[in-house]
Amino acid sequence: DAGITQSPRHKVTETGTPVTLRCHQTENHRYMYWYRQDPGHGLRLIHYSYGVKDTDKGEVSDGYSVSRSKTEDFLLTLESATSSQTSVYFCAISNTGELFFGEGSRLTVL
Amino acid sequence: QKEVEQDPGPLSVPEGAIVSLNCTYSNSAFQYFMWYRQYSRKGPELLMYTYSSGNKEDGRFTAQVDKSSKYISLFIRDSQPSDSATYLCAMRDSYSGAGSYQLTFGKGTKLSVIP
Repeated sequence: DAGITQSPRHKVTETGTPVTLRCHQTENHRYMYWYRQDPGHGLRLIHYSYGVKDTDKGEVSDGYSVSRSKTEDFLLTLESATSSQTSVYFCAISNTGELFFGEGSRLTVL
Repeated sequence: QKEVEQDPGPLSVPEGAIVSLNCTYSNSAFQYFMWYRQYSRKGPELLMYTYSSGNKEDGRFTAQVDKSSKYISLFIRDSQPSDSATYLCAMRDSYSGAGSYQLTFGKGTKLSVIP
């Protein structure tokens, strides 16, 4: 497996609370991504990063923010979680166009 | 019309069968094609990565790209119960130098190989 660690792996939270998911890589890949995966929708890109402090929005970025202060860490924050953000979140990394995924973080918002 | 179409299945085959999984796409700019395997409650795992048209073989797996028809396939020979998973196709165009590598994914085909 590529050296990608996601934390937490499982989280249950309540509507309105902030949530931060962390992605840590040991591969020194330039590009990092956050996806969500939902039945019927497949994988959808939330945000991505092309370098330290360089980030941009994906197709479903509303309600999410990201930060990348170090090459190895990419944080996804839900400022005020909603039930529609219940999903499985995957981090991915890339250097040359193939994406390598983490094991996922399963988030339930009650 | 969605950019990438993939039959969701489920597809159920007996052990030892040849499996054919397919995706069609509409964007003629796509040049790089990937297949991912995703086991239940796991992250997608890259299986095959091909450029432009043609075939690529890796063990029991063969990836085929027909750019003229905008059609890609993954063949699994001598299928095993351990091949039971969801298979996702993905594709992208050439890297433009701005931003990052942006993949477009199919929604996945769920495969079950019955012993």
